[in-house]
Amino acid sequence: AQSVTQPDIHITVSEGASLELRCNYSYGATPYLFWYVQSPGQGLQLLLKYFSGDTLVQGIKGFEAEFKRSQSSFNLRKPSVHWSDAAEYFCAVANRGSTLGRLYFGRGTQLTVWP
Amino acid sequence: GAVVSQHPSRVICKSGTSVKIECRSLDFQATTMFWYRQFPKKSLMLMATSNEGSKATYEQGVEKDKFLINHASLTLSTLTVTSAHPEDSSFYICSARDSAWVPNTGELFFGEGSRLTVL
Repeated sequence: AQSVTQPDIHITVSEGASLELRCNYSYGATPYLFWYVQSPGQGLQLLLKYFSGDTLVQGIKGFEAEFKRSQSSFNLRKPSVHWSDAAEYFCAVANRGSTLGRLYFGRGTQLTVWP
Repeated sequence: GAVVSQHPSRVICKSGTSVKIECRSLDFQATTMFWYRQFPKKSLMLMATSNEGSKATYEQGVEKDKFLINHASLTLSTLTVTSAHPEDSSFYICSARDSAWVPNTGELFFGEGSRLTVL
């Protein structure tokens, strides 16, 4: 069965520290990959996406993610976290065979940033 | 950038009543919109794909008679929760597809969400 796994429910880091949020997927073929951020009571904002090409993807707000086919992973990273980065982060996938853009999400990782 | 707006952002209703949530694409046309449901501390679950001018496509396990979807125009999709019960209380989020879904050009934009509380 297809699945998206975010193994960390909650991560706490100090401001200025580096961050890595994990995402693993289980699909028959490499899907389209996304990271979204959700602030409390808000909708989702796209941080970055991977469709093909360079496996290191740069996104907004200083985030990047690396696609590793051998590990079926798409981990999100940021070298120095800011207090405003505190939010819920979702990894999502879309089937390459789908032309409609239906997304399937991981359960999310809640990020807390200590001042 | 493209904006998707949902209304209302919060709604409280009595058990047994019906509630309508609107999803609008404000500056682009969306032939396809998607409805998600988000439980507390849980992931977003895709409920259905809303297609302009045709019937919605529901995901497995989603009751189509319970969650009525209408996509009457290229900028508006509505989700009606019929005969709502407390277990329908949730955060409902819509998204709209901007242009064709092709690599590097297509993108989904999400609304702010609508929190439904059924008493």
